[in-house]
Amino acid sequence: KAGVTQTPRYLIKTRGQQVTLSCSPISGHRSVSWYQQTPGQGLQFLFEYFSETQRNKGNFPGRFSGRQFSNSRSEMNVSTLELGDSALYLCASSLGGALNYGYTFGSGTRLTVV
Amino acid sequence: GQQLNQSPQSMFIQEGEDVSMNCTSSSIFNTWLWYKQDPGEGPVLLIALYKAGELTSNGRLTAQFGITRKDSFLNISASIPSDVGIYFCAGQRGSNYKLTFGKGTLLTVNP
Repeated sequence: KAGVTQTPRYLIKTRGQQVTLSCSPISGHRSVSWYQQTPGQGLQFLFEYFSETQRNKGNFPGRFSGRQFSNSRSEMNVSTLELGDSALYLCASSLGGALNYGYTFGSGTRLTVV
Repeated sequence: GQQLNQSPQSMFIQEGEDVSMNCTSSSIFNTWLWYKQDPGEGPVLLIALYKAGELTSNGRLTAQFGITRKDSFLNISASIPSDVGIYFCAGQRGSNYKLTFGKGTLLTVNP
């Protein structure tokens, strides 16, 4: 079955702009999580959605937001981009509804802010 | 915030050698996961551990969930060149749906 699909794979934006990233989870998976990966901070949790509800949020400013649609697809938005937002943004899906399920990651969206 | 201390940061080994890496935390975790990440790709789940003391194998990989629930290790036996990559540990706590990741171990295998 198809894996987690993230689009676009690469993105270049200018400081101050906003960006929207998309994630399509594995069919049947209802939980979608977002992570930011940078060389300095590693993998940092952004937020997690299950059945269109945000269940948990990491320690990121309000410029980072997300949502999940009824088909479990998710988007994350970053407004007023800063240079420090340059990172690999990873989406992970799982069956959800319980704790003990491994998360499957997509290949990520590489965002560069110039 | 919660921290996972993963060591070593990097390893350079010869093909055929065994490898061991570990993660420790000051906090208790209910689930430990081990991932491998290749350049330009997302992390791929290698092994998931759900009970303290659990020892699980996946081919040449073996991982254990520490008795104290504050640590885990991953062993790779008879390494091969395709084992090259970054290995991450991740922990999950209680009813919190997020994963906390270690900083990763960069593995280089010389053929």
